[in-house]
Amino acid sequence: DTGVSQDPRHKITKRGQNVTFRCDPISEHNRLYWYRQTLGQGPEFLTYFQNEAQLEKSRLLSDRFSAERPKGSFSTLEIQRTEQGDSAMYLCASSVQGVHYGYTFGSGTRLTVV
Amino acid sequence: TQLLEQSPQFLSIQEGENLTVYCNSSSVFSSLQWYRQEPGEGPVLLVTVVTGGEVKKLKRLTFQFGDARKDSSLHITAAQPGDTGLYLCAGALMKTSYDKVIFGPGTSLSVIP
Repeated sequence: DTGVSQDPRHKITKRGQNVTFRCDPISEHNRLYWYRQTLGQGPEFLTYFQNEAQLEKSRLLSDRFSAERPKGSFSTLEIQRTEQGDSAMYLCASSVQGVHYGYTFGSGTRLTVV
Repeated sequence: TQLLEQSPQFLSIQEGENLTVYCNSSSVFSSLQWYRQEPGEGPVLLVTVVTGGEVKKLKRLTFQFGDARKDSSLHITAAQPGDTGLYLCAGALMKTSYDKVIFGPGTSLSVIP
């Protein structure tokens, strides 16, 4: 297992298009998180899965965002009708139970909406 | 509002100098993590501190968790160009189902050879 994998690394899309990102966590990790990071800022929490259950979703997340984690393995994050303000780095992280162990992040997907 | 502040926002120093960066909040955390992030990559965990007053050392890096578990500091001795990056602190808040982690805005460190 080489860590958390995210695909694609970069995505350029036109405003109004839908995009989907994929995250493959470390196989032993039952917890999965999505964060968004804009330039000069720290990562901002989007949503959290424990196994296949989505247990928390940020109030900042509009209805255009949806995330799934079927069978508690990989996860997808979809953004519908993209806007220029959605341009950011989307980070996925996974962990075992107990935040004391810290998160393992993927390399992220850089989204640019033109 | 749960907010983590970090200072300074930017730091540029010469190789061999010492530095300290700070992470502060009005919230109490069950634990606090420090990450380093390089451009175009995800953050990489450096350390987790759990107990108030705890001090952890990682080679030239020394991490301290405040007694009240609201603040933390990272001290780097004899900085090297390889230490360049964005240093993020992240606090874990106790919740009923899991410890939610919130991140500070980061300190961008540049070590000049």
